[in-house]
Amino acid sequence: AQSVTQLGSHVSVSEGALVLLRCNYSSSVPPYLFWYVQYPNQGLQLLLKYTSAATLVKGINGFEAEFKKSETSFHLTKPSAHMSDAAEYFCAVSEIEDSGYSTLTFGKGTMLLVSP
Amino acid sequence: EAGVTQFPSHSVIEKGQTVTLRCDPISGHDNLYWYRRVMGKEIKFLLHFVKESKQDESGMPNNRFLAERTGGTYSTLKVQPAELEDSGVYFCASSQVGSPYNEQFFGPGTRLTVL
Repeated sequence: AQSVTQLGSHVSVSEGALVLLRCNYSSSVPPYLFWYVQYPNQGLQLLLKYTSAATLVKGINGFEAEFKKSETSFHLTKPSAHMSDAAEYFCAVSEIEDSGYSTLTFGKGTMLLVSP
Repeated sequence: EAGVTQFPSHSVIEKGQTVTLRCDPISGHDNLYWYRRVMGKEIKFLLHFVKESKQDESGMPNNRFLAERTGGTYSTLKVQPAELEDSGVYFCASSQVGSPYNEQFFGPGTRLTVL
C-alpha cells in the first residue's frame, strides 16, 4: 500500500526566504508524485508532477521538486517566498492498479505561512 | 473551459438529517472521484466512477453514504442519516480516461458541518 508523509503541519518563512516543504512516500512500484496547493476558499490546484522523466520537476509560480528514489522523497522548494504563496500544500502519490486505473493518496498537508 | 464545480459550497445540517452533494466534472471527463477531508486529517479517497459505473468504492466509510452518477455526467453523494463524524470537506475530481499520470482536476469542495 502506498502512503505519504509530510513533515510539519505548519511551516513559517519570511518573504524572500527559501521555501522547503518535505514529502516522503512509500510505494511498491515506481510512483507518480504530485504537489497540489489549496488557496483559501479555492479548490486543489496542481503545482507540479513527477512522471518518471526528469527527476527535477518545475511547476507553476516558481516552485520545483526533486524526486530522490534513494530517499523516497519529493520535497517542494521555492528560492524566494512571496506573500501570495501562503496556502496549504499537499503531496500525493498515485499508483496504477491492475485495472489500469489509479487513485491519489495524500499527505496530511502543510500550511505555509509567509510573514513580511 | 469550465472546471469541476460542486454544490453547495457549504452545508450545515443537524445530526440525523439527509444531505446531498453534487459534482459536475469537466466536460468529457469519464473519470470522477470523490474524496473527503476530515478536520486535521489527510484527504482520503471515497470512490471512483468511470462513466456511470462504480470502478472502486473501497473508501466509502459505511452504508449511510450513497453515490450515483446517472448518465455518466454529474454525480451526487448522499449522506443519510448524517452523523457528527461526517463533518469535513468533500472534494470531487475528474480526469480523462487514459490521461497520462492520472492527472485529476479538483473542484472547490463542499464544507459539510453536522451539528
